[in-house]
Amino acid sequence: DTEVTQTPKHLVMGMTNKKSLKCEQHMGHRAMYWYKQKAKKPPELMFVYSYEKLSINESVPSRFSPECPNSSLLNLHLHALQPEDSALYLCASSQELGRISNTEAFFGQGTRLTVV
Amino acid sequence: KQEVTQIPAALSVPEGENLVLNCSFTDSAIYNLQWFRQDPGKGLTSLLLIQSSQREQTSGRLNASLDKSSGRSTLYIAASQPGDSATYLCAVDAGANSKLTFGKGITLSVRP
Repeated sequence: DTEVTQTPKHLVMGMTNKKSLKCEQHMGHRAMYWYKQKAKKPPELMFVYSYEKLSINESVPSRFSPECPNSSLLNLHLHALQPEDSALYLCASSQELGRISNTEAFFGQGTRLTVV
Repeated sequence: KQEVTQIPAALSVPEGENLVLNCSFTDSAIYNLQWFRQDPGKGLTSLLLIQSSQREQTSGRLNASLDKSSGRSTLYIAASQPGDSATYLCAVDAGANSKLTFGKGITLSVRP
């Protein structure tokens, strides 16, 4: 099973709403990632978790709050977003971080977020 | 700072043609390079991973090569089919935190 599952697939939220994106993998991977992708652009890294601890925060605004409750789950809590935050949010996982040449990243299908 | 370039941005070919997609990167100190496929509005599907010590990897009609010294990778697609139409992204892993640096992708259209 090389699947990363993201829910919901689509989300429309107002600027005053609070919502959460969820990501789950059962491959035993210890590194999990959130990426943001705008239309016709490559994915941009937001956060990296390693062994359930935040390893990288790419200077993401605090209205995005990640959480890794256990080794299989990754959440992204959203609050007071702006319309420009509308994008495809992708979750990924890999075996673990570090200088490992065979670390393959697996991505979920994404959550299409629209902020109105 | 690592930069990844994919040229051209778009490519249209007739069905059955063999084709090569190019990817170049500026810093040869990479751990691996990965090719992904992305359908419109969907996530990324991993196609091939080439480790830094490898020269090529094959999966079905796909063959990816890596020349670290020249900072280049190619994805070869044999006997293209309309179902191959998608955006193809390459990404390099060059750091201790396994952060992927992506190219902008090549949007491939295979005409029936």
